[in-house]
Amino acid sequence: QKEVEQDPGPLSVPEGAIVSLNCTYSNSAFQYFMWYRQYSRKGPELLMYTYSSGNKEDGRFTAQVDKSSKYISLFIRDSQPSDSATYLCAMSKGYSSASKIIFGSGTRLSIRP
Amino acid sequence: DSGVTQTPKHLITATGQRVTLRCSPRSGDLSVYWYQQSLDQGLQFLIQYYNGEERAKGNILERFSAQQFPDLHSELNLSSLELGDSALYFCASSVGSSGSPVGTGELFFGEGSRLTVL
Repeated sequence: QKEVEQDPGPLSVPEGAIVSLNCTYSNSAFQYFMWYRQYSRKGPELLMYTYSSGNKEDGRFTAQVDKSSKYISLFIRDSQPSDSATYLCAMSKGYSSASKIIFGSGTRLSIRP
Repeated sequence: DSGVTQTPKHLITATGQRVTLRCSPRSGDLSVYWYQQSLDQGLQFLIQYYNGEERAKGNILERFSAQQFPDLHSELNLSSLELGDSALYFCASSVGSSGSPVGTGELFFGEGSRLTVL
C-alpha cells in the first residue's frame, strides 16, 4: 500500500464549477501538507501548503486537512480553463528536508470552456 | 519560468546504454534535487546535493549516480539502462538545504528531461 493515495482522474468539469481534489494517506505522523500544480510539459510548482489540521484559503483555492480521517482536499472555486493541469498532493512529517516529502501520483484536471 | 534549466528535454536511447542529464539551478540556489516521475510511481525523490556535497539519498538505483560541480550545476548519470527507466526526470533547486516550504525555501522544478529507453 502506498503511503499517499490520489485518484489519477482524469477529472473533467465545466468552467465555473467547484472542483474537489483529494488525497488519503496512511502515516499519522505526517504534519505538513502541500499541493503542487503541474502543467503539461512543465515541472511541478508549489500551490499551497498547510500545517496540521484545518483550512487555508488563497484566492480561489482552499486547502483542507482532516488528520483524524487522514484525508486532505484542495477546492478550486470558479474554475477556469487555465486551472487545467495535474495536481499533486504532497506531505511530510517535518519541515527538515524536501527529501522527506512524499508525493501523490497526481490527479489530471481538465476545465471545459 | 522557474529559473531551473534542464537538458536535454527529450532523449531516446537503447537498453544497456548510458546517458547524462544536466541541470542548472536557479541563480543563488545551493541545493539541487533529482526526481523521477513515472505514471505508476508518481514523483520519486532520487538524490539531493547541497553546495557540492551529497545531502540525502532516496530510492536511487546503484546504476544511477549524480554529482554537483563547483559552479553548482548538477548531472545525473544513468547507466545500463532498462526499459523500466523510461520516465520524466526532474531537477529542482532551493536556496537552502531544506527545500521544504516551511523550512528554508520551497522547491523550484525544471521542465524535466523525458527519457525513453527502447
